[in-house]
Amino acid sequence: QKEVEQDPGPLSVPEGAIVSLNCTYSNSAFQYFMWYRQYSRKGPELLMYTYSSGNKEDGRFTAQVDKSSKYISLFIRDSQPSDSATYLCAMSAGKLQFGAGTQVVVTP
Amino acid sequence: GAVVSQHPSRVICKSGTSVKIECRSLDFQATTMFWYRQFPKQSLMLMATSNEGSKATYEQGVEKDKFLINHASLTLSTLTVTSAHPEDSSFYICSASTRRGSSTDTQYFGPGTRLTVL
Repeated sequence: QKEVEQDPGPLSVPEGAIVSLNCTYSNSAFQYFMWYRQYSRKGPELLMYTYSSGNKEDGRFTAQVDKSSKYISLFIRDSQPSDSATYLCAMSAGKLQFGAGTQVVVTP
Repeated sequence: GAVVSQHPSRVICKSGTSVKIECRSLDFQATTMFWYRQFPKQSLMLMATSNEGSKATYEQGVEKDKFLINHASLTLSTLTVTSAHPEDSSFYICSASTRRGSSTDTQYFGPGTRLTVL
């Protein structure tokens, strides 16, 4: 079993809809949780960084962490075609572990 | 700020040759750099962690004699794939951090290098 599980998608949504992404994990030692956006053939770009359970909001992005359920989420409001990318969750207890990434397609 | 560059962005080589990939932090000093490999539709897999002035720490299953890492300055790390074979074809991505040896600090990623071995 992988330490970090993430549905690879693709997830297709119409422009303006809310994109909902999530990851589950098995290692209870993970304390730091991140979401990265990766465009095709480019390196990942950090979107959100959270520590411990709770919500964090930054513009159109909201990250949620539920450590009791070992579940993290990323929500993108008012999605735009430019949000089309692969979104990777990552978490760390000393070494960064990535999910496989979910491909998101926002259609005009 | 926090820009990381990689060179080359794409390289095609013949089997048996060696390829060097450079990773540079352009506007900050990177105490620690990380090298990842990513296969299509798969996650980033950490290959090694490199602290400036020290030998790199390789992940289990990564051959240190095949993937030579040098981190001689605070702004430059290099990955050399020696005697490359077609199975080494992949997307290689570096990242840089300002904290020594810690991956919990923010990592800034380079744009990646696509290696194709014929």
